[in-house]
Amino acid sequence: DIVMTQTPLSSPVTLGQPASISCRSSQSLVHSDGNTYLSWLQQRPGQPPRLLIYKISNRFSGVPDRFSGSGAGTDFTLKISRVEAEDVGVYYCMQATQFPHRAFGQGTKVEIK
Amino acid sequence: QVQLVQSGAEVKKPGASVKVSCKASGYTFTSYGISWVRQAPGQGLEWMGWISAYNGNTNYAQKLQGRVTMTTDTSTSTAYMELRSLRSDDTAVYYCARDIPGYCSGGSCYHDYGDFIPTDYWGQGTLVTVSS
Repeated sequence: DIVMTQTPLSSPVTLGQPASISCRSSQSLVHSDGNTYLSWLQQRPGQPPRLLIYKISNRFSGVPDRFSGSGAGTDFTLKISRVEAEDVGVYYCMQATQFPHRAFGQGTKVEIK
Repeated sequence: QVQLVQSGAEVKKPGASVKVSCKASGYTFTSYGISWVRQAPGQGLEWMGWISAYNGNTNYAQKLQGRVTMTTDTSTSTAYMELRSLRSDDTAVYYCARDIPGYCSGGSCYHDYGDFIPTDYWGQGTLVTVSS
């Protein structure tokens, strides 16, 4: 099974400053169809997870453009260009290449300094 | 708009069973799959399994094989997840999420991603507490 590893596990950030989260998979997430099914999810306190990014870099409907995703193969990054108070929560990367199994990273907690 | 509305919180004793429902609206239920994901208190997300709402094919996480059953009722656009022989470490919030369609045959599952987006919408969660 694919294992997802995130760093850091905690990220204290000053409002208005950028934040970056890394995610590494134990094997390549490139699918036989040529796409890479790596998603990022946000979970605000007391809320269900919410999809932010799919296929490495595609923002889901309604997601602000301060969120961006990048990477390839086994190494991926989520960036928040300017952190706002509403961005506090835990962020998870998720692999969806190995159908139908879904594997999540451990989560990265973003909090305001 | 797409919505997944789950059933309410449950308290169960060890050894009992629980059945959580997930009612879908705002889209054609049988055109997608449903994944179930759980989250123990203060912990991360754990994938439990997937079901095709079209043909009822399922695929479960190995650690839950034999204890979990996922079903759908297409007449009410509702997905169900039943977990048996509950233990204290099954205490968690259980989520359903809309997922891509597919089918399973001979132990393997297949799909055609097309324009589908994995786990694009999530239910609000159902807290299941297992305690004596």
